[in-house]
Amino acid sequence: KDQVFQPSTVASSEGAVVEIFCNHSVSNAYNFFWYLHFPGCAPRLLVKGSKPSQQGRYNMTYERFSSSLLILQVREADAAVYYCAVCSMDSSYKLIFGSGTRLLVRP
Amino acid sequence: DVKVTQSSRYLVKRTGEKVFLECVQDMDHENMFWYRQDPGLGLRLIYFSYDVKMKEKGDIPEGYSVSREKKERFSLILESASTNQTSMYLCASSKTGNSGQPQHFGDGTRLSIL
Repeated sequence: KDQVFQPSTVASSEGAVVEIFCNHSVSNAYNFFWYLHFPGCAPRLLVKGSKPSQQGRYNMTYERFSSSLLILQVREADAAVYYCAVCSMDSSYKLIFGSGTRLLVRP
Repeated sequence: DVKVTQSSRYLVKRTGEKVFLECVQDMDHENMFWYRQDPGLGLRLIYFSYDVKMKEKGDIPEGYSVSREKKERFSLILESASTNQTSMYLCASSKTGNSGQPQHFGDGTRLSIL
């Protein structure tokens, strides 16, 4: 079954680099997507691709079956839920989402 | 910027009622999606549509139906609402493309079934 796996919670201290890991069992997967979700707001795309990518403080690593989102100089305001998603060549318009990782940031 | 608008932020309905959740996007996207979000379960796909009048079941379609009469609008219908359908519902849209297009989300509708 096509599934995406990510930890339920990651904790970090302010100013650190935090890594959120994601792996999958999706057949013919070719792109990762990382979304940020604050409660009550629309999930927002942070970074995507099939190779390592960077958008501001957000870096994405890429391997065929896994990806990590790295948040540089993490702040208390980064505390939110981060979703990893994968698309497959079998169905290019569908994204398969992980269950989300809640990031906790200690001051 | 893509705008995906869900008609209600909060909705309270009674068991057995027929409930309509509406979603509109303004970027001429071919694909539209309905998800529900529950604690610890992430985003689960209910239904999606890749064209007008076309629909496909997602992972959890039971108890739901959808309607896509116009390209910009995608409706989620709870035929007879039940308490286990209390949840946050998120609509999304995306363009069709070869490289895996990102989905753009609305702010969500928090639905409570009493």
